[in-house]
Amino acid sequence: EVQLVESGGGLVQPGGSLKLSCAASGFSFSGSAVHWVRQASGKGLEWVGRIKIKADKYATEYAASVKGRFTISRDDSKNTAYLQLNSLRTEDTAMYYCTRLGAPADALDIWGQGTMVTVSS
Amino acid sequence: SYELTQALSVSVALGQTATITCEGNNIGSKSVHWYQQKPGQAPVLVIYRDTNRPSGIPERISGSNSGSTATLTISRAQVGDEAEFYCQVWDGSPAVFGGGTKLTVL
Repeated sequence: EVQLVESGGGLVQPGGSLKLSCAASGFSFSGSAVHWVRQASGKGLEWVGRIKIKADKYATEYAASVKGRFTISRDDSKNTAYLQLNSLRTEDTAMYYCTRLGAPADALDIWGQGTMVTVSS
Repeated sequence: SYELTQALSVSVALGQTATITCEGNNIGSKSVHWYQQKPGQAPVLVIYRDTNRPSGIPERISGSNSGSTATLTISRAQVGDEAEFYCQVWDGSPAVFGGGTKLTVL
């Protein structure tokens, strides 16, 4: 079965850190760019960032709202992508989804179930 | 940065046709993707590159894109179609999402 499974969410204090994982199965993970998208409760979808494949030097890019605080990485040997969240703020509270950029659709065709991050004192 | 505008909500009578629009500057020159999100669930891709349906998406769901408006059309609307729908384009590398339209089937 083609799927992405996120883990690692939880409650963290402002200024704290958290590392999310995204485990892939059922498709060629190493051949797929991975994007992270978040959604605050009752709000819309917000793109967080992405990491490309090895052939593209694992290039990363981030939304302005998280740049310098969040880091995306991947371990193709483990079919897993990661989202390191540092210097967390209350406004980072959201469900975090990892997604695959599918080809030739050039769209986010596989989504995980999400992992919840709550930033609160 | 590029912006996409969607109506907050659309209502449709059971069995009728729902039209959900996504407006953006010269959006017709971009490829638009649509996602359906039901309460408590992750988004699901329903249309990619303006008009294409992924495997498993019914033919009742279709898309178009021209000028400044992309459109998602749901024919013979069913109660099970009730959801939030998001349009999305690529603004270079970042994904840009519309604010979402809540579809209600009456």
